Amino acid sequence: GAVVSQHPSWVICKSGTSVKIECRSLDFQATTMFWYRQFPKQSLMLMATSNEGSKATYEQGVEKDKFLINHASLTLSTLTVTSAHPEDSSFYICSARRGYGQPQHFGDGTRLSIL
Amino acid sequence: GDSVTQMEGPVTLSEEAFLTINCTYTATGYPSLFWYVQYPGEGLQLLLKATKADDKGSNKGFEATYRKETTSFHLEKGSVQVSDSAVYFCALHPSQGGSEKLVFGKGMKLTVNP
Repeated sequence: GAVVSQHPSWVICKSGTSVKIECRSLDFQATTMFWYRQFPKQSLMLMATSNEGSKATYEQGVEKDKFLINHASLTLSTLTVTSAHPEDSSFYICSARRGYGQPQHFGDGTRLSIL
Repeated sequence: GDSVTQMEGPVTLSEEAFLTINCTYTATGYPSLFWYVQYPGEGLQLLLKATKADDKGSNKGFEATYRKETTSFHLEKGSVQVSDSAVYFCALHPSQGGSEKLVFGKGMKLTVNP
């Protein structure tokens, strides 16, 4: 149980386009989802915390207009990288949890490459 | 603020060698402690956890004990396999402040050779 699916797993696109990444909890309802960014050989950096039906809470230094997060249902959250540029290239990972204090379950990540 | 410090590696071991990955933390109160593993090209998987002092987490032959006195949560395995090659992250979940935030160490890449 506790499977989190992330799609797409890999995307390459041109500079200036917007890219949407989906995060789904397949077998449980996730009241909260988290979005992380991981640079090569670095740890995970929390970008934002997303609660179903409310606005995401962004970490300091993360541009909310650049990284749009929508958590429209208890099983789906999306991260849209708007007007992506090469410096946005990274590995993006989502996680989901059932309720407060419950463990986070991670997706397999999305490798984003902006040309 | 809360932080996690772990061995960064990379580390290369031969199969059946003993593994220790050190992890120490700084936090107020009694955080929960975790080890996550990331296989190449994949997301993170929870390997084991401990929620209070002296708890021992174990899974797949890996063990770690929550040591409050030394603020440590070192990961050990008696005999590693090639399939254990991955990046290992130590993390904590704060006990205070209502934060949901997991605080990760920088990760350590382990390569096990046959």
